[in-house]
Amino acid sequence: GQQVMQIPQYQHVQEGEDFTTYCNSSTTLSNIQWYKQRPGGHPVFLIQLVKSGEVKKQKRLTFQFGEAKKNSSLHITATQTTDVGTYFCAGPGNAGGTSYGKLTFGQGTILTVHP
Amino acid sequence: GAVVSQHPSWVICKSGTSVKIECRSLDFQATTMFWYRQFPKQSLMLMATSNEGSKATYEQGVEKDKFLINHASLTLSTLTVTSAHPEDSSFYICSRGQGEYTEAFFGQGTRLTVV
Repeated sequence: GQQVMQIPQYQHVQEGEDFTTYCNSSTTLSNIQWYKQRPGGHPVFLIQLVKSGEVKKQKRLTFQFGEAKKNSSLHITATQTTDVGTYFCAGPGNAGGTSYGKLTFGQGTILTVHP
Repeated sequence: GAVVSQHPSWVICKSGTSVKIECRSLDFQATTMFWYRQFPKQSLMLMATSNEGSKATYEQGVEKDKFLINHASLTLSTLTVTSAHPEDSSFYICSRGQGEYTEAFFGQGTRLTVV
């Protein structure tokens, strides 16, 4: 499967500040997905990016997929305390690119928001 | 509502005993399901792929005799941690997909503590 690196590992912000987490793969990804895991909870799907250079927005969240389909980022504008959690990127878990739900996760970024 | 149900949510067992965790796909007949393990503040690591009606496929480094997986029906996969030891204490979580390029749907996870 693919290997996906994610940074930073931790991010502490004041409420209202922006936040960005980055993912990078050494190989081209057919797609990349983003998940959020609240403390004590399970990962919840946020979005999937498939096209080269794709940018998608969900309210204050902006997701980007690089032109080479090797990197991706998640940016949160004006963080709120409800944004607290761990954000994971995930690539397909099969070398061929398809996944059928099998994923290789990045290390995750733990976001703390101070009110 | 949840499409993957996992039980129990938490379990405490004595060292040397076995623990069974159930994962049910509630709305989809899943020929394949996945089991992950997550240590505190770490990422989700794929342990094995559960295949309905056939043997599970284990990731490198995962002991198949210790982590027994059974996928006897299209809606149920079970993970049994045999002869559990304190180092097996972790968050175990199952998931399934729904197609070739698909998001993963996760169960609620099981927090196992071996004392």
